[in-house]
Amino acid sequence: GQNIDQPTEMTATEGAIVQINCTYQTSGFNGLFWYQQHAGEAPTFLSYNVLDGLEEKGRFSSFLSRSKGYSYLLLKELQMKDSASYLCAVLLNNAGNMLTFGGGTRLMVKP
Amino acid sequence: NAGVTQTPKFQVLKTGQSMTLQCAQDMNHEYMSWYRQDPGMGLRLIHYSVGAGITDQGEVPNGYNVSRSTTEDFPLRLLSAAPSQTSVYFCASSAPHRANTEAFFGQGTRLTVV
Repeated sequence: GQNIDQPTEMTATEGAIVQINCTYQTSGFNGLFWYQQHAGEAPTFLSYNVLDGLEEKGRFSSFLSRSKGYSYLLLKELQMKDSASYLCAVLLNNAGNMLTFGGGTRLMVKP
Repeated sequence: NAGVTQTPKFQVLKTGQSMTLQCAQDMNHEYMSWYRQDPGMGLRLIHYSVGAGITDQGEVPNGYNVSRSTTEDFPLRLLSAAPSQTSVYFCASSAPHRANTEAFFGQGTRLTVV
C-alpha cells in the first residue's frame, strides 16, 4: 500500500522560517510534488523533486532523500498570505502516473 | 487561458439521486483524473484516464462512473448519491511526457448529499 505522512497543523510567526516534513512509503516512485492550497481553492503547484537534493525557488525550497523516503518544504520570510494547507504528493510510476497525496499540513502564520 | 474547468461549483443532492460532474481542459493533456477531498484525509483518487477511450479505477471508485470520449472532457457520474459522498471533488489534468508532469486542478465542486 501507499503511506504518506505529514503533520496535521503547524503555526509560525510572520517573517520566520518554517519546515514542513513529509515521509513516504510507496510501491513505485517517480517524483514528489508539493502543492499549496488556500481554503476553498484548488491546489496549486509549488515544487517537484525527482533527484536527491534541494530545489530552491524564491522563498520556497524543497528537499528530497529517496533512500530515506523523506522530503521537506522550507518556507522563508513567512508572510500572512502563506497561511494555507501544504500537500505532499508522490508521483507513482504506474500506468496512470497518478499522484498519491498525504493528508496535508495546515500552516497558520501569526503576526 | 481557461485551464481545467469544473461545473457546477456547488450542488445539493437528495439520497438516491444521480448527477454528473463536468470537467473540461483546454491544454491538450492526455491524463485526467478525479479526486475527492475530505477533512483530514487529503485528496483520494477516484478514477483516472490516460487518454480518450481509456479509464481505470483509483483508490475509492465505488459509487462513481467515468467515461472519456474526447481528450478534453472527463465527466464523473454519481449513480445513486449517498451521504458518504458529501465531499469536495477536484478534477485534474497533466501531460505525462513533459519533464515536470505537474497536475493542474479545477476549482472544485462542493457536493452535499442530504
